[in-house]
Amino acid sequence: EDQVTQSPEALRLQEGESSSLNCSYTVSGLRGLFWYRQDPGKGPEFLFTLYSAGEEKEKERLKATLTKKESFLHITAPKPEDSATYLCAVQEVGNNDMRFGAGTRLTVKP
Amino acid sequence: GAGVSQSPSNKVTEKGKDVELRCDPISGHTALYWYRQSLGQGLEFLIYFQGNSAPDKSGLPSDRFSAERTGGSVSTLTIQRTQQEDSAVYLCASSRSENQPQHFGDGTRLSIL
Repeated sequence: EDQVTQSPEALRLQEGESSSLNCSYTVSGLRGLFWYRQDPGKGPEFLFTLYSAGEEKEKERLKATLTKKESFLHITAPKPEDSATYLCAVQEVGNNDMRFGAGTRLTVKP
Repeated sequence: GAGVSQSPSNKVTEKGKDVELRCDPISGHTALYWYRQSLGQGLEFLIYFQGNSAPDKSGLPSDRFSAERTGGSVSTLTIQRTQQEDSAVYLCASSRSENQPQHFGDGTRLSIL
């Protein structure tokens, strides 16, 4: 059973059209939830860490939120340079690794 | 400062050959991770090193895969008798400690002919 599920798989937006990406997770105890951005041919770039339900983090046009079952990455007035694959990962209490979702491929058209 | 450095960036080899992939973590980071990313799939955990502790090898897919970390810094991932299904991007990450954000290199793209 998948521990981390991201939706949608792909999202196409017009520049300025705000939207949200979803990350649903199933773990017995959450140590941390991480959001990354990945550009083609590059490694994932760290964006945010969330540790407890109700927590929010913001960076420029991005805002990440966390509940006990899911996290959202809200993108406000996106620009073409926000086009990338956004990855969500969870670290479970007692485990050393991060479990990644398959990602959401975001395309922002000018 | 310098980020995580991986080499080579690309490797093409014949089935059955052994390959070595190298990772230089960020200076001062005690935790080091190896992941594999196959086309269209999420990242798959392979192995984790923390300081001088025994590594967590729970993600290694077979005994053809092994990894070392010398002096608590540089790490080498070795794949023996490569198979075509080993073709993937191998990513290395490091972090200050085990529950801190992981910072990734750009990976080694491995192609097995």
